[in-house]
Amino acid sequence: AQSVSQHNHHVILSEAASLELGCNYSYGGTVNLFWYVQYPGQHLQLLLKYFSGDPLVKGIKGFEAEFIKSKFSFNLRKPSVQWSDTAEYFCAVNRRDDKIIFGKGTRLHILP
Amino acid sequence: GAGVSQSPSNKVTEKGKDVELRCDPISGHTALYWYRQSLGQGLEFLIYFQGNSAPDKSGLPSDRFSAERTGGSVSTLTIQRTQQEDSAVYLCASSFAGDSYNEQFFGPGTRLTVL
Repeated sequence: AQSVSQHNHHVILSEAASLELGCNYSYGGTVNLFWYVQYPGQHLQLLLKYFSGDPLVKGIKGFEAEFIKSKFSFNLRKPSVQWSDTAEYFCAVNRRDDKIIFGKGTRLHILP
Repeated sequence: GAGVSQSPSNKVTEKGKDVELRCDPISGHTALYWYRQSLGQGLEFLIYFQGNSAPDKSGLPSDRFSAERTGGSVSTLTIQRTQQEDSAVYLCASSFAGDSYNEQFFGPGTRLTVL
């Protein structure tokens, strides 16, 4: 069965630290890849997405993710985190016109 | 409105009662999804509609759960004989399926508490 794995359930960092959140998926073939974010008290919203082309994707608020097809990975990165990045982050994958499968999420706490 | 709306925003019910949750997707979005979000469980897929049909109901946890969608728009998720373990936030999302850009837009959710 298709699945999405997020390696870290809970991450705590200090401001200005670098961030990398892992995501691996089990689909074969062509996939669409997403990172969604849920800030405290807010809706889930799209952070960035990959459909094709350059495997390094830039998103909002300085986030980026790299699609490595050989590793079935789509890790999220940010060089210097801020307190306002405290949120829950979800990786998601689908094949074209199929339902999106979400990972279980990573709770990120940034210490001021 | 411009976004996905859900009602009610909060629902408290007694064990054994039936509840109905509503989702209004973004106009023109043909795909609609229901998820359940519980603490520590992440986002659990429940059911997916393409138009009015549900090609994938695989995530519904039991036969107490059902959903329908009418007119390719509004959807209702019904939970019969609610149990305490049904307590969670129920999220609805819609997307403009039919092209490769299956970005989902989420509603604010309905927080269900079963006493």
